[in-house]
Amino acid sequence: GESVGLHLPTLSVQEGDNSIINCAYSNSASDYFIWYKQESGKGPQFIIDIRSNMDKRQGQRVTVLLNKTVKHLSLQIAATQPGDSAVYFCAENSGANNLFFGTGTRLTVIP
Amino acid sequence: EPEVTQTPSHQVTQMGQEVILRCVPISNHLYFYWYRQILGQKVEFLVSFYNNEISEKSEIFDDQFSVERPDGSNFTLKIRSTKLEDSAMYFCASSEFPNSPLHFGNGTRLTVT
Repeated sequence: GESVGLHLPTLSVQEGDNSIINCAYSNSASDYFIWYKQESGKGPQFIIDIRSNMDKRQGQRVTVLLNKTVKHLSLQIAATQPGDSAVYFCAENSGANNLFFGTGTRLTVIP
Repeated sequence: EPEVTQTPSHQVTQMGQEVILRCVPISNHLYFYWYRQILGQKVEFLVSFYNNEISEKSEIFDDQFSVERPDGSNFTLKIRSTKLEDSAMYFCASSEFPNSPLHFGNGTRLTVT
C-alpha cells in the first residue's frame, strides 16, 4: 500500500531563518502532492500543491520541490516567522481520489 | 473566504451509543471526505463521497460507519455503536474537483467513554 513518511518528527529554527521539511513517499504512481499546516485545535490548512509533471512550485514564502527519482518531497519556508510554528504534513494522491498523509513534522520557530 | 464547518466541536458519548457528526462543505464543492486523527497521530482517510455515493473507503470505514448527504448542504458521518477506539478528531473535507486541494473543517473531537 501507499506509505508517506517524514524523515524528522521535529524541527526547530530561528526566526528569520529558512526551514526545510522533508517527506518520502513510496508509491511511484502518486501524481499529486499537497503540503498542509495544522495548528493546535484546527484542521489541516492547505499550503501548496504540486503535480507529478512538475519538480518545483513556488508560493508566497513557500516552495515545494518534488524529486520523483528518489520519491522525495520537500517544503521550504523562507524567513520563518513565529506564526509558522505548527505541524506540517505532506499528503499524496495516487489517483484514487483520496489523500494519504504522512506522520507530520512539528516546526518550532524560536524568537 | 468560504470554509467547511463542522458541528459539534466536541462530542462525548458512551460506548455503544450512536453518534452523528455533521459537516457543511463549501457550497460549490462536489467531492466530500471524512478523515480522522487519533491524538498525536497522522490524519487517516475514512471515506470519499461523490454524486450521492461512496467513491472510496478505507479499512477503518467498516459496517459501523455510514455517510449521508441528507440535503443540499449537509454531509454527515454516523457511527452506529461507538467503541473506545473511535475516540479521535474527525475532520470533514471538500474539494471542487478530484485531485485538487481538499479544504478541511476544524474537526469534531469525539470522546467515547
